[in-house]
Amino acid sequence: AQSVAQPEDQVNVAEGNPLTVKCTYSVSGNPYLFWYVQYPNRGLQFLLKYITGDNLVKGSYGFEAEFNKSQTSFHLKKPSALVSDSALYFCAVREGGGADGLTFGKGTHLIIQP
Amino acid sequence: EAGVAQSPRYKIIEKRQSVAFWCNPISGHATLYWYQQILGQGPKLLIQFQNNGVVDDSQLPKDRFSAERLKGVDSTLKIQPAKLEDSAVYLCASSEFLGLGDTQYFGPGTRLTVL
Repeated sequence: AQSVAQPEDQVNVAEGNPLTVKCTYSVSGNPYLFWYVQYPNRGLQFLLKYITGDNLVKGSYGFEAEFNKSQTSFHLKKPSALVSDSALYFCAVREGGGADGLTFGKGTHLIIQP
Repeated sequence: EAGVAQSPRYKIIEKRQSVAFWCNPISGHATLYWYQQILGQGPKLLIQFQNNGVVDDSQLPKDRFSAERLKGVDSTLKIQPAKLEDSAVYLCASSEFLGLGDTQYFGPGTRLTVL
C-alpha cells in the first residue's frame, strides 16, 4: 500500500531565507508525487507534480521540488520565502498501476516570520 | 475557468440526523473524487467516479455514507445517520481524465460539525 510521511509538523523560516518542507513516500510501483497548499477555510491548491523525467520540478509561486528515487523523497523548496507562503502544505502520492486516489501526508505548517 | 464548486460551506447537525453535500466539478472533467479531511490529518479518499460510474469506493463507510453522480456531472454525498466522528471537512475534487498523473483540482470544502 502507498504511504506518505511528512516528518515535521511545523517549519519556521525567516522571510527571505530558503525553505524546505520534507516528504518521503513508500510505493511498490512507480510514484506519481504531488504538492498542495491549503490556506485557512479554503480547499487545496495544486503547486506541482512529478510524473517522470527531470528530477527537479518547478511549480507555482516560485516553488520547486526534487525527486530522489534512492531516498524515496520529494522535498518542497523555495529559494526565498515570503510571509504570504505561510500555510499548510500537503505531499501526496499515487502509485502507477493502482486505481486509488491520492494518499496524503498529514501536512506541515509552514510559518514565515517577517 | 470556474473551479470546483461545493455547497453548503458549513453545516451543523445533531448525531443521527442526515446531511447531504453537493459538488459541481470543473466543466469537462470526467473524474470526480470525494475526500474526508479530519482536523489535523490529510484528506482521505472516500469515493472516485469516472463519468457516472464508481471506480473506487473501498474506503466509503457504506452503512451510512452514499454518493451518486447520476448524469456524470454534479455529485452528491450523503450521510445517514451521522455520528460524532463524521465531523470533518468534505472535499470534492475533479480531474480531466482518470490518468494517475492527472492533476486533481479541489473545491473549498464543506465543514461538517456533528453535535
